[in-house]
Amino acid sequence: QSALTQPASVSGSPGQSITISCTGTSSDVGGYNYVSWYQLHPGKAPKLMIYEVTNRPSGVSNRFSGSKSGNTASLSISGLQAEDEADYYCSSYTNSSPLDVIFGGGTKLTVL
Amino acid sequence: QVQLQESGPGLVKTSQTLSLTCTVSGGSISSVGYYWSWIRQHPGKGLEWIGSIYYNGRTYYNPSLKSRVTISLDTSNNQFSLKLTSVAAADTAVYYCARDDRRGTISFDYWGQGTLVTVSS
Repeated sequence: QSALTQPASVSGSPGQSITISCTGTSSDVGGYNYVSWYQLHPGKAPKLMIYEVTNRPSGVSNRFSGSKSGNTASLSISGLQAEDEADYYCSSYTNSSPLDVIFGGGTKLTVL
Repeated sequence: QVQLQESGPGLVKTSQTLSLTCTVSGGSISSVGYYWSWIRQHPGKGLEWIGSIYYNGRTYYNPSLKSRVTISLDTSNNQFSLKLTSVAAADTAVYYCARDDRRGTISFDYWGQGTLVTVSS
């Protein structure tokens, strides 16, 4: 079972906006609205940033937003800040059993 | 606020068994609707789901690891554990425990900070 496809890296300057894509298939991203995004800082607990494609958990900045079109989901970050520099992973429900959740390969966000 | 914390040896010898425990605070592992999961990240690589256990003890494992993995619950101590047998260098990774919320949604809403396990002879 292949991982979801993410760009290896993206970058942006403070204050700018960036978008990270997450491409799957109709068996996962395209077929269900269970796409999540996670932020990983080294040495810290990963943080859920977006769930069900577009929803932000309580406490997550509204600079983070999610969307989906067809088999591709996207995470957008506006007003980039230095603390946004991290690795970001998408995940999706998949109709394959028993592994019903798959992850993307991860994207390193660099704030220039 | 739910918190998870992994514990266990940071170094395991080749062919031996990797054993990790995740202690959960701020919530009960016996709660309906949550799966308790182990996920790992190889150095410089992406996340890999290892397996999950439900409050009733039912387990689900990554097929690629199923023959070597056991996940169990310790409800008296509000902990769950991972055992991975016959480890090799390829099992060197940061191991995370996480709560998988299935109450009408699907997401890993709380994670531990991870523990690096190195496999070496």
